[in-house]
Amino acid sequence: QSALTQPRSVSGSPGQSVTISCTGTSSDVGGYNYVSWYQHQPGKAPKFMIYDVSKRPSGVPDRFSGSKSGNTASLTISGLQAEDDADYYCCSYAGSYTWVFGGGTKLTVL
Amino acid sequence: EVQVVESGGGLVQPGGSLRLSCAASGFTFSSYWMHWVRQAPGKGLVWVSQINPDASGSSYADSVKGRFTISRDNAKNTLYLQMNSLSAEDTAVYYCARDGGSYSADYWGQGTLVTVSS
Repeated sequence: QSALTQPRSVSGSPGQSVTISCTGTSSDVGGYNYVSWYQHQPGKAPKFMIYDVSKRPSGVPDRFSGSKSGNTASLTISGLQAEDDADYYCCSYAGSYTWVFGGGTKLTVL
Repeated sequence: EVQVVESGGGLVQPGGSLRLSCAASGFTFSSYWMHWVRQAPGKGLVWVSQINPDASGSSYADSVKGRFTISRDNAKNTLYLQMNSLSAEDTAVYYCARDGGSYSADYWGQGTLVTVSS
């Protein structure tokens, strides 16, 4: 149950696009199409952003998109806005009814 | 409106025990898998445990297996986490989350802080 690997930080200016990677193994990310992404701002409850690798829950802007290739999943945020400034976490099903999260990525909107 | 609200956190001595609660409202609690996720100070989210709708099955992260027990009372719409043999490494904000399907958590609480210290 090792944490998935995410970059510690990424940044971009308003209007730009950024991509956050999430690397696991064939036992988690690569083995299942059950990758989800969460936005977490200080003092708030984490917010559900992406599920099943690339599906958006109702209410999540289409600026947020997800994808996966092999053992690496990615979250892309296009048209960056100030309110996107937050920590982002990936999560994958890891078999035997267990989950594993990534270490988190701090997105700074410059 | 779907809501989950955690309670029961606090300061506990190493080796001690604590029981967290999560009160659910706005949805049919007995139909959903539920999870506990924690975040140590300055660290990332870590999945802790999950339980199925009728409480017949549960699973745990290796780091808490044998020490923590997840349970639920569907009549009271409440999820629990019994934590025993606590150590400083268990210091964290503990979040309750609803499983929205597809192994993802669609609603989260604000968390309750557990501090293990002498």
